Amino acid sequence: SQKIEQNSEALNIQEGKTATLTCNYTNYSPAYLQWYRQDPGRGPVFLLLIRENEKEKRKERLKVTFDTTLKQSLFHITASQPADSATYLCALDTGGFKTIFGAGTRLFVKA
Amino acid sequence: GAGVSQSPRYKVAKRGQDVALRCDPISGHVSLFWYQQALGQGPEFLTYFQNEAQLDKSGLPSDRFFAERPEGSVSTLKIQRTQQEDSAVYLCASSSGQGLSYNEQFFGPGTRLTVL
Repeated sequence: SQKIEQNSEALNIQEGKTATLTCNYTNYSPAYLQWYRQDPGRGPVFLLLIRENEKEKRKERLKVTFDTTLKQSLFHITASQPADSATYLCALDTGGFKTIFGAGTRLFVKA
Repeated sequence: GAGVSQSPRYKVAKRGQDVALRCDPISGHVSLFWYQQALGQGPEFLTYFQNEAQLDKSGLPSDRFFAERPEGSVSTLKIQRTQQEDSAVYLCASSSGQGLSYNEQFFGPGTRLTVL
């Protein structure tokens, strides 16, 4: 079955450093992949989408890479800030209406 | 408000009770999704509507779960004879596109259901 794996352990980094989060998937070949941010008690918020033919996508301090050979996406936040502390979810398309989400990685940025 | 709203925000039910959870999507959004999110997990797809048509209900865990969107706007997720394993946050999302999962989804805050 389709499976998405994200770092289950929380990521703790110092303010100003680059945070790198990993999303690995198996048994599927998605045409695109999305990253969402979720704060406690709130719904996920869309951040970035990257297509299978794109190696890298950037938006302000965010950068996403997509390696369809490794079946992996990396999500980077440069110059991280305490306000970036949240859970980050990776999501894959299934070619239809269903989006499959990973369990998310919690990021803590210390001042 | 311009976003997706859900009500109630919190619901406590006794085992065996029926519950109804409401979702008001962004006005004009064609697509509406329901997800179930257990603690520490990502959202799991339950069902999808395109306007009033329920095009995918493959994620509904049992026949106790039923969703409707009769006029193509507000949607209700109903759970009959609730059980403890139904305790979760139920998220609603809407999208302006016609449901293909590359369209950005806008999520509501969720309804936290606790079944005692």
